[in-house]
Amino acid sequence: GESVGLHLPTLSVQEGDNSIINCAYSNSASDYFIWYKQESGKGPQFIIDIRSNMDKRQGQRVTVLLNKTVKHLSLQIAATQPGDSAVYFCAEISGATNKLIFGTGTLLAVQP
Amino acid sequence: NAGVTQTPKFQVLKTGQSMTLQCAQDMNHNSMYWYRQDPGMGLRLIYYSASEGTTDKGEVPNGYNVSRLNKREFSLRLESAAPSQTSVYFCASSAAGIKQETQYFGPGTRLLVL
Repeated sequence: GESVGLHLPTLSVQEGDNSIINCAYSNSASDYFIWYKQESGKGPQFIIDIRSNMDKRQGQRVTVLLNKTVKHLSLQIAATQPGDSAVYFCAEISGATNKLIFGTGTLLAVQP
Repeated sequence: NAGVTQTPKFQVLKTGQSMTLQCAQDMNHNSMYWYRQDPGMGLRLIYYSASEGTTDKGEVPNGYNVSRLNKREFSLRLESAAPSQTSVYFCASSAAGIKQETQYFGPGTRLLVL
């Protein structure tokens, strides 16, 4: 299927543990960041976003942290559940281009 | 609301054939987008339409054309398909533009070019 030849970084966690998914971005001019969740056979689903004037934003069971000094973004998922198993993408937007650029993704595998 | 819908779900083409991928949204969104996703990669923007009547190139526009038929519909056309266009194609929409609003994605069209 569409995963043939896929070599995504994989994070394997136990159900109930916290998960941290990391993302490095390259464009220091990027000023808006989004995390998407993509389940097998489906389109990406918005999880949470953060603007560059913030370093932390919390949602329901998820937290995004932004470190502009080292151009690093992370997604923390509390009390990970089997339904959280998916590929997670970070995406960035530069104010100059206004185009959404996706990272390569991380596969989160939740073990029961 | 159905959200963003795409047709067809699957398609097999021979090299050189043409086809149009259809996308429609019922959220009254102004902006619509076409992406492609290749194995092991994130989505790459092909074309987008910031508002009805306008279209602009994205990161990988070569080999594609688009039409913003009306506010609801945004189609992607492959005039002469090539094996390199084998991919999963996603349509998305947002209320006011990439920067300010969440993009909502359709379920995708899986295209195989032989």
